Amino acid sequence: EAQVTQNPRYLITVTGKKLTVTCSQNMNHEYMSWYRQDPGLGLRQIYYSMNVEVTDKGDVPEGYKVSRKEKRNFPLILESPSPNQTSLYFCASSRGSGAPNEQFFGPGTRLTVL
Amino acid sequence: DQQVKQNSPSLSVQEGRISILNCDYTNSMFDYFLWYKKYPAEGPTFLISISSIKDKNEDGRFTVFLNKSAKHLSLHIVPSQPGDSAVYFCAALPGLLLSARQLTFGSGTQLTVLP
Repeated sequence: EAQVTQNPRYLITVTGKKLTVTCSQNMNHEYMSWYRQDPGLGLRQIYYSMNVEVTDKGDVPEGYKVSRKEKRNFPLILESPSPNQTSLYFCASSRGSGAPNEQFFGPGTRLTVL
Repeated sequence: DQQVKQNSPSLSVQEGRISILNCDYTNSMFDYFLWYKKYPAEGPTFLISISSIKDKNEDGRFTVFLNKSAKHLSLHIVPSQPGDSAVYFCAALPGLLLSARQLTFGSGTQLTVLP
């Protein structure tokens, strides 16, 4: 089954404690991205990756890092989380340069930073 | 300032009636528009799209209308079904390069279809 998986699905942490949210897709997609969803703001792109070792900033990259060492994985790293990073996070993937009507989204990770 | 606006956070409709979800945009460079649907505890899924060269696109019970001069699009669902209850996001892309890296999303509208 074609899917994007994220782990963990729920996470409560404290300010400053480094964390990683993993994302993996099984569709051999070139394009992967991370979004955050906040009330009243919709989805905003954090980082995206066009292929292995090719990543770039989205609209709200501050406080986040990513890596793309393998095609299937695109982890999101919060080196020093802060309360304003409390949000619902989605990973997505699609073929080529990112066909928007073919984006597969993961189920989301709800992060709370205390 | 949000470039894609969904001014109604929520909408309730009776089963069998029409649901109309609205979306306004401010960036005249936007050329391609999409609607995504999101159920609780799931990621969004693509629903329907429209290019600026059209003013209407239909797919089964779902129709999207685009009014470029008013910078307004709407999603019509006819007839509405309880399974349509979800959050609907409007999204827009500039120019001809249809890449998700340039997507701008609206804030979403929660549709509730009452049995």
